[in-house]
Amino acid sequence: LAKTTQPISMDSYEGQEVNITCSHNNIATNDYITWYQQFPSQGPRFIIQGYKTKVTNEVASLFIPADRKSSTLSLPRVSLSDTAVYYCLVGGYSSASKIIFGSGTRLSIRP
Amino acid sequence: NAGVTQTPKFQVLKTGQSMTLQCAQDMNHNSMYWYRQDPGMGLRLIYYSASEGTTDKGEVPNGYNVSRLNKREFSLRLESAAPSQTSVYFCASSLRPGGQGATETQYFGPGTRLLVL
Repeated sequence: LAKTTQPISMDSYEGQEVNITCSHNNIATNDYITWYQQFPSQGPRFIIQGYKTKVTNEVASLFIPADRKSSTLSLPRVSLSDTAVYYCLVGGYSSASKIIFGSGTRLSIRP
Repeated sequence: NAGVTQTPKFQVLKTGQSMTLQCAQDMNHNSMYWYRQDPGMGLRLIYYSASEGTTDKGEVPNGYNVSRLNKREFSLRLESAAPSQTSVYFCASSLRPGGQGATETQYFGPGTRLLVL
């Protein structure tokens, strides 16, 4: 079971690029890395998923080094509306009982 | 397309009372999940249903029961509520059967805030 470690909180300013790193030292061969975003009083929302190298969508980029022991979620040019908690989730095609969200990273964006 | 809906939005119970939290999805998803989220914490999986007619325990199943009524609906029941069950409860669903929520996109409902006195 791949445990993840993320910073508890981060602060940034509007217009900056924000990088949130997640450590998953014992990631398994068939595990994927998934990031969710959660706003206050709402359920989490899927942002991006990857297995290796780099994945980009309209919202974010996900960088995964060759050893896959960590991953970095990159949010370009953040705005106040990006203030949220970001969760890194690692898991593969195994029992759903192994879904572990962790405590997440609380990102605060300032004007 | 409403996605995942949950009722009620908020509930106050006294210790020992019972209640059922309702969840429904209209995306024709096969897998459904119940999580709880305590203040300042991440989500913990209570139960999941990998397909219609099946349910399995997650990380924290004690004190709860579930029913996958049909493909759309997945309910969570507290038989005898305790203060330790004060939390926000989220229901989620994902497309494929098998409960592969770690690899599939999960779609979450808005949550039910439960206070047990």
